[in-house]
Amino acid sequence: GAGVSQTPSNKVTEKGKYVELRCDPISGHTALYWYRQSLGQGPEFLIYFQGTGAADDSGLPNDRFFAVRPEGSVSTLKIQRTERGDSAVYLCASSLGTGLNYEQYFGPGTRLTVT
Amino acid sequence: AQSVSQHNHHVILSEAASLELGCNYSYGGTVNLFWYVQYPGQHLQLLLKYFSGDPLVKGIKGFEAEFIKSKFSFNLRKPSVQWSDTAEYFCAVRLGSNYQLIWGAGTKLIIKP
Repeated sequence: GAGVSQTPSNKVTEKGKYVELRCDPISGHTALYWYRQSLGQGPEFLIYFQGTGAADDSGLPNDRFFAVRPEGSVSTLKIQRTERGDSAVYLCASSLGTGLNYEQYFGPGTRLTVT
Repeated sequence: AQSVSQHNHHVILSEAASLELGCNYSYGGTVNLFWYVQYPGQHLQLLLKYFSGDPLVKGIKGFEAEFIKSKFSFNLRKPSVQWSDTAEYFCAVRLGSNYQLIWGAGTKLIIKP
């Protein structure tokens, strides 16, 4: 079946601009996660959705970052007033359930470059 | 703060060599442990996981890992690597009932044919 998809695959934007990154989870997966991966590092947790609500947004670095999942499926990560330090690969993952035993399936990521 | 350490950033081996990649974490409570792999041009995928029970877990493609609680370690092993194992390997830890995964920096493994 179809895996997690993310669009766009690459995004180049100028400092100060607004960007939106989209994630389509696997159909039927109720949990959705966003991570950020900077060069040479492992992924860093940003936010976790259970259904439509953000169950844990403690990883969002500041108030320029915001994410929504209005219908409990597709999610959008929004970054305002982008800075060069926001350049990274943004990863989305989904899992079938909310229990700790459920595996997270990852998408290919969106590479964001802020110039 | 809790952290995950992967000791080697780059490892180069010849085919048929044995592999061990180190992973240590800093947290004294209950943990779930994972190894993920990212092949060139592909997305992250789960190799194996430990939740409870037998501390020696077997994953896909002949990989295994051993959880040693006293050493806070979860090292990944494979007795004989193949060229197709060339990839980046990430160790990740979930703490207690928290849904977040805390990740190591990754180890890039290159297998020479």
